[in-house]
Amino acid sequence: QQQVKQSPQSLIVQKGGIPIINCAYENTAFDYFPWYQQFPGKGPALLIAIRPDVSEKKEGRFTISFNKSAKQFSLHIMDSQPGDSATYFCAANQAGTALIFGKGTTLSVSS
Amino acid sequence: GAVVSQHPSRVICKSGTSVKIECRSLDFQATTMFWYRQFPKQSLMLMATSNEGSKATYEQGVEKDKFLINHASLTLSTLTVTSAHPEDSSFYICSARSDRANEQFFGPGTRLTVL
Repeated sequence: QQQVKQSPQSLIVQKGGIPIINCAYENTAFDYFPWYQQFPGKGPALLIAIRPDVSEKKEGRFTISFNKSAKQFSLHIMDSQPGDSATYFCAANQAGTALIFGKGTTLSVSS
Repeated sequence: GAVVSQHPSRVICKSGTSVKIECRSLDFQATTMFWYRQFPKQSLMLMATSNEGSKATYEQGVEKDKFLINHASLTLSTLTVTSAHPEDSSFYICSARSDRANEQFFGPGTRLTVL
């Protein structure tokens, strides 16, 4: 499988902080880059996704920044809340193929 | 919309038995579904790609005779873990790709514990 490298492995921020999670990919044919949020014992839930024709996408408090030349994309969570504490996975794929996931980032937002 | 269900949500079985897990797309058609396995504190690892009406494509290292996949309709795929052993204990998650868009929607997962 083509790799998607995610960092950091874990992240602790205070309430109101802006955690940033980064991902890098190798396959230039990838054309879909979603982020998933997963709570313990639950399946992943789609949070936000971007395609390579735009450099940034915002949905509520979540923003994806995309750098095509560097083959990197990141998730920013504005005004983070304790309820945002979860594991976040970046992923990527080419149309018609399975998603390849990063290893995940465990986010803890302290109140 | 875009709801995917899995059944059962949790199953405990004895070593040597077979377990069937169902994955359904409730409000959309999915020609393609995917099966993932997730161990504690790890990422999702793709096991196989399931296509309606044809044989599944398995990832390297996944035993196709042990993990039987059937995709009999545009809304249902099943994974059967045959002769389960304790090392098969894991969280199994399916996803369904909407035929109308390149988005995958995940089921809630099935926790399998083999005693």
